[in-house]
Amino acid sequence: AQSVTQLGSHVSVSEGALVLLRCNYSSSVPPYLFWYVQYPNQGLQLLLKYTSAATLVKGINGFEAEFKKSETSFHLTKPSAHMSDAAEYFCAVSDDSNTGNQFYFGTGTSLTVIP
Amino acid sequence: DTEVTQTPKHLVMGMTNKKSLKCEQHMGHRAMYWYKQKAKKPPELMFVYSYEKLSINESVPSRFSPECPNSSLLNLHLHALQPEDSALYLCASRRDGYNSPLHFGNGTRLTVT
Repeated sequence: AQSVTQLGSHVSVSEGALVLLRCNYSSSVPPYLFWYVQYPNQGLQLLLKYTSAATLVKGINGFEAEFKKSETSFHLTKPSAHMSDAAEYFCAVSDDSNTGNQFYFGTGTSLTVIP
Repeated sequence: DTEVTQTPKHLVMGMTNKKSLKCEQHMGHRAMYWYKQKAKKPPELMFVYSYEKLSINESVPSRFSPECPNSSLLNLHLHALQPEDSALYLCASRRDGYNSPLHFGNGTRLTVT
């Protein structure tokens, strides 16, 4: 089965600083990768997805992620953090095996933005 | 795409009660999911319905009973729950295709007393 690993369960940045949230995948074939954000007491909202069309993927709210096959990584970045970015972030991979319809989530990274 | 709607938003139930959670989507998605999420943890998959048939059951206790009456509706029937079942229950749907993302509802916050 495929899996993703998120390094750092908690990340704190100052407002205006670069946001970098790390995600590494484990896959022997090109994966389908996703980043989701979850605000308190809400469901998960799709930020962006990688589907092999381009290695640099732009998402909503100024976020982007770069797929690096050599590093098996799909890190999420934002040039300048805003207070409203404080949330839980999940990296996820879609299973392309015959079991079908499976999504595997990373353990999540809680982002704190310091004013 | 339009949203996934879950009702109720909050539910408090005793261990002897029977209740149901409801999920609805009108995006034409043929795969629908139930997830359980504890605080500060990732969603845990419970059930997947594909074309209205149960395709994945992640060894969920029988006190949770899913139902998919049609392609737009997904229910989760609850009976004789335990306090440790208190969690956020999320419904999601997905278009066919491995590059399709999950679309989540805002969840039902369940408290078992």
